[in-house]
Amino acid sequence: ILNVEQSPQSLHVQEGDSTNFTCSFPSSNFYALHWYRWETAKSPEALFVMTLNGDEKKKGRISATLNTKEGYSYLYIKGSQPEDSATYLCAVNNAGNMLTFGGGTRLMVKP
Amino acid sequence: DSGVTQTPKHLITATGQRVTLRCSPRSGDLSVYWYQQSLDQGLQFLIQYYNGEERAKGNILERFSAQQFPDLHSELNLSSLELGDSALYFCASSVLPGVVDGYTFGSGTRLTVV
Repeated sequence: ILNVEQSPQSLHVQEGDSTNFTCSFPSSNFYALHWYRWETAKSPEALFVMTLNGDEKKKGRISATLNTKEGYSYLYIKGSQPEDSATYLCAVNNAGNMLTFGGGTRLMVKP
Repeated sequence: DSGVTQTPKHLITATGQRVTLRCSPRSGDLSVYWYQQSLDQGLQFLIQYYNGEERAKGNILERFSAQQFPDLHSELNLSSLELGDSALYFCASSVLPGVVDGYTFGSGTRLTVV
């Protein structure tokens, strides 16, 4: 069983602030890393999937990077907006098998 | 609409009872996964099916069981329910196990045991 850790557990920022959080995972047998955005009362929604060391993905104000050698990924949000408030889940897929999820980072953006 | 359908959306039942949660995967997806999210906990993997066969098992209690039918829908059966079983149960599907595209999640079934 993989140990996927996310930090911080929760984060409060002001509207307009930029923020980032971390996902750490074992680097051995790495296959893919996924970021999901999970709003209250909705289902988790896929943001990015990354497979290669050094991968960078961007969608609007949200971007992510991947370091498979040291086993971490960063998710960045530039100019946070209240609608960015959600739980951000990281999940790792090793050796082509099922996803193991981290505990999530709960982001709250205050207007 | 993600394409993964879970029913019912909400369920309230008493301790000791048995319930069945249903999941229809996205069209074309062969693999189904069940996850449990309890209060202040992350997503805990329960069980995975691929094309009707059990593929992987996580922290699923013996009181819980699941199956995937020939039409690929899946059911999660929870019996002898306890207060601690109250949680949000998610179903997710993918084309193949471990596919790089990840999972598509349903909207979940919120189970409350009273």
